[in-house]
Amino acid sequence: AQSVTQLGSHVSVSEGALVLLRCNYSSSVPPYLFWYVQYPNQGLQLLLKYTSAATLVKGINGFEAEFKKSETSFHLTKPSAHMSDAAEYFCAVSEVGNEKLTFGTGTRLTIIP
Amino acid sequence: KAGVTQTPRYLIKTRGQQVTLSCSPISGHRSVSWYQQTPGQGLQFLFEYFSETQRNKGNFPGRFSGRQFSNSRSEMNVSTLELGDSALYLCASSLYGTNTGELFFGEGSRLTVL
Repeated sequence: AQSVTQLGSHVSVSEGALVLLRCNYSSSVPPYLFWYVQYPNQGLQLLLKYTSAATLVKGINGFEAEFKKSETSFHLTKPSAHMSDAAEYFCAVSEVGNEKLTFGTGTRLTIIP
Repeated sequence: KAGVTQTPRYLIKTRGQQVTLSCSPISGHRSVSWYQQTPGQGLQFLFEYFSETQRNKGNFPGRFSGRQFSNSRSEMNVSTLELGDSALYLCASSLYGTNTGELFFGEGSRLTVL
């Protein structure tokens, strides 16, 4: 069965610093992996996705993530944090043949001015 | 292109009542899925409908039900409400289905059960 673990329910970084949000997955078949962002009082928005093409995936708002099969990881990064990045971030996994998307528990990102 | 619309945005009910939430997907999307979001449990999958058929279901009791109409609009119903049903209910639409991961979410319906 597929599952997702997000390490750190809360992460704080200074404005201009590197953002690193961690995601590890478990899947019995090659997975599809996603990062979503949720701003306060809004629904989720797709940031980026990995679907077995390039292992380094670039998304919106300067975010990117790298699929590492050997580490079963799909960490999200951004070189320089901006105040507008403050939100909750969710990693998600799905599998071919399994009509379900499984979300992690989320990481709340706070940006320190 | 209009996004996913959920109504109502906020509602308050008492224990034992029932509630119906509505979701209008993006035009052309045939898949609608529902999620319950709570601080303690995160995002939990309720069910997915594709072309009026329930294609997948999460681990929720039978009090939670849904349906999809021929125009792809979807409703979910919760009967005999319990305090623990207080949550943000999110609807998402997709062109091909939830496993593609490319979901477009509405802003949610926030349900408070007193």
